[in-house]
Order: sequence, then structure tokens, then C-alpha cells
Amino acid sequence: GQQLNQSPQSMFIQEGEDVSMNCTSSSIFNTWLWYKQDPGEGPVLLIALYKAGELTSNGRLTAQFGITRKDSFLNISASIPSDVGIYFCAGQLYTAGNQFYFGTGTSLTVIP
Amino acid sequence: DTGVSQDPRHKITKRGQNVTFRCDPISEHNRLYWYRQTLGQGPEFLTYFQNEAQLEKSRLLSDRFSAERPKGSFSTLEIQRTEQGDSAMYLCASSGLEGQSNEQFFGPGTRLTVL
Repeated sequence: GQQLNQSPQSMFIQEGEDVSMNCTSSSIFNTWLWYKQDPGEGPVLLIALYKAGELTSNGRLTAQFGITRKDSFLNISASIPSDVGIYFCAGQLYTAGNQFYFGTGTSLTVIP
Repeated sequence: DTGVSQDPRHKITKRGQNVTFRCDPISEHNRLYWYRQTLGQGPEFLTYFQNEAQLEKSRLLSDRFSAERPKGSFSTLEIQRTEQGDSAMYLCASSGLEGQSNEQFFGPGTRLTVL
């Protein structure tokens, strides 16, 4: 299947710091979704992106659809303890149907 | 209807047994997806329904796996002759609202342990 490279794999940050993570692929995508997952729960949708170059915010979260359509970025500003979790990107290939491919996740730990 | 629900949340079974999971999507959604997630990995696509039609299946979906959505509402995923390698979290997602058709909303998952 398609490979989505998500980085970094894990992050340990102080409360109040900003966080950046990204997702890259060798394929072109027409939709990017960002999710947060807590242990033992299903992923929760954070942000959806549909157009190259699109920049979308959801509270302290901002995500961008890369111009090349092969990457996406997620930023979290002023992190708080409840931001702890695993963040996944998911992309839908422009050539495929409705199948989404998920990255391997970025584990975020916020130190109070 | 507040979201996608899945039942059971946890299932422990012995190798060789059959198991069946249920997913109830958000009521207005016409698309339903099944994923499998193992520890440390992102969800992997298994299959997709639009209404009652199963439109896509992953090569991950072996002959022991079957999914149905008979009335275009809830769906079931059955695994026959379970193997230890089937141990994973099985996630269901739905989508399909006008203007948000690609946004998939996940249920809490069913954690399967095969002994």
C-alpha cells in the first residue's frame, strides 16, 4: 500500500511550547485529514484539507495542504497537557476511490 | 445520534473461533469503512461500503474476513477461524454529509485478542 512518512515519531515538549509535525509521500493526494487518538479509543478528526495550499485552523491547531500535494503539516500552538496523544495524518489518493492511507503517527508528550 | 458506535468494545477469543463485530454509523452517513490497527501503527483500510454496496476491499481482507451492510445502516465484520495474527483494534468509520463527504468519523473500536 501507499507509504505516508510521518515525522517526528515522538515529541517531548514543555507545556506552552509550539509543536510542528508533518506527513510526506511520494504520491499525490487530493484530501488530507489530521486525527488525534487517545489510548484505547478511536481517532478523533481534527482538521480536513481539500485544496493544495489550503491553510485551516481549529482553535490552537493549524494545518496546511502542501503545494506539491504530496505533504501536509500540523502545528499546535501553546501546548497544554490535554494535547497528549498520538496524531495521525491520513491522505486520499487522487487516483483512488474512497480509501484513505494513514501515517504511522506522532506521539506527543507534554510536560507540565 | 451522537457518533459512531461499535460493539463489543473488547473481545477475547481462542484461536479457531469465529467472531463478529458490529458498527452503527452516524445515521445520516451513507459511507462506512472498516480499518484494522495494530500497536504502534496507523489504521489500515480493510473495506468500504456506500449504502449497502461493498465497493472496495483491501488485499489485507483475507477469505476469512467478511463484511456486510445489508440495509445500508449498521455493518458487521466477521472473522472466521481466528488466528493470533488477527489480534488488533478493529475500527469503523462513517462519512457522507453534504460538503463534508470525505471527513471520516471513527467509532471507539473493538479490541480483539486471539489466544
